[in-house]
Amino acid sequence: EAGVVQSPRYKIIEKKQPVAFWCNPISGHNTLYWYRQNLGQGPELLIRYENEEAVDDSQLPKDRFSAERLKGVDSTLKIQPAELGDSAVYLCASSADRGYEQYFGPGTRLTVT
Amino acid sequence: AQTVTQSQPEMSVQEAETVTLSCTYDTSESDYYLFWYKQPPSRQMILVIRQEAYKQQNATENRFSVNFQKAAKSFSLKISDSQLGDAAMYFCAYRRQLNTGTASKLTFGTGTRLQVTL
Repeated sequence: EAGVVQSPRYKIIEKKQPVAFWCNPISGHNTLYWYRQNLGQGPELLIRYENEEAVDDSQLPKDRFSAERLKGVDSTLKIQPAELGDSAVYLCASSADRGYEQYFGPGTRLTVT
Repeated sequence: AQTVTQSQPEMSVQEAETVTLSCTYDTSESDYYLFWYKQPPSRQMILVIRQEAYKQQNATENRFSVNFQKAAKSFSLKISDSQLGDAAMYFCAYRRQLNTGTASKLTFGTGTRLQVTL
């Protein structure tokens, strides 16, 4: 069984540029999570989806961040425009419906210069 | 709000020896899960072990075991017979038991970097 897939693995952009990250969860997993991990910190939730619905996006900076999960499968997280403070690792995770175990992807390391 | 604290930024252990990583948490909930995740340089978070708060018995997975002290809100990880492949960042995480609203969010500590020496 394939795990959570994320792309790209690395991204370097200049500030004020847009950037997008893609995540394909484990097949059959209805719940999808985007976490941000700053250097030297643990991951923090940005947004959680139950199928197509964003059920927890309270930590998502909505002025510059957006996310979508069309058809309840893969998801895209976008930042526009990026700021220096957005440099971090962006992790995607998925879990089965009402399951408590979250499976993580390899993450995307974003560097904003 | 729930918080998770890992007070050991770095730990070192010799191969084949035993090491214990500490974690404390703060919550007003009575039902929850606790986890230890391993994050190697590849960045992928790997679940090591989990503990349901309602279970008194400490969880064990091969060389990994926990010491769960609910009253003290303490959740330490013991790694026995340490191997070079155990070197990684280890994160303690908390999750509420009820899967409604924000309940399924994981709250992580800041991590402990484990070095394994020959």
